[in-house]
Amino acid sequence: DAGITQSPRHKVTETGTPVTLRCHQTENHRYMYWYRQDPGHGLRLIHYSYGVKDTDKGEVSDGYSVSRSKTEDFLLTLESATSSQTSVYFCATRDRVQDNSPLHFGNGTRLTVT
Amino acid sequence: GDSVTQMEGPVTLSEEAFLTINCTYTATGYPSLFWYVQYPGEGLQLLLKATKADDKGSNKGFEATYRKETTSFHLEKGSVQVSDSAVYFCALSDPASGGSYIPTFGRGTSLIVHP
Repeated sequence: DAGITQSPRHKVTETGTPVTLRCHQTENHRYMYWYRQDPGHGLRLIHYSYGVKDTDKGEVSDGYSVSRSKTEDFLLTLESATSSQTSVYFCATRDRVQDNSPLHFGNGTRLTVT
Repeated sequence: GDSVTQMEGPVTLSEEAFLTINCTYTATGYPSLFWYVQYPGEGLQLLLKATKADDKGSNKGFEATYRKETTSFHLEKGSVQVSDSAVYFCALSDPASGGSYIPTFGRGTSLIVHP
């Protein structure tokens, strides 16, 4: 769906290490989003991007940073991973917003911080 | 701010039973409403949407009607199948939330259908 590839699909890392998750899309969608999914919380927005080099914070952005140097790639970095960041991370893209087009999701990255 | 409230799950049904998953919302503006479905091990995918009051979205036998007077968008299906077992998310996108129309999601409702 919308050619969204997340990598890696699974990762185990130790507390205190930096981690980068990658989202790659082939549909030339302008908007990209990073969410985390946790039991009891549903989906929570971490960061989003509305164009190359244009990003903004979501509701749970502490401890995360993002970069978007090309339309097709949106990177999420955990600067110093903590156990509370163990989660499933989803990238989503959107072609446009004005007519409320839907989001297209990748298949997620399961991150475990030990 | 905007919010979406869904009934808590899991909802457990036998095959061919009638399904209703309740969803209510609060929004500053006049939002568009969505249902997404997440199958095990996958990301969310759009199931249906409605963009104005009294619109009915439908797909794969699922339906939901945009009820502005009750601020609701309940998901229904007349006869569920085992393959419908998944997590269902209600969501809204509000033009009054700023230029980026950031979607707001409910917490999801797990549906388990037994043969």
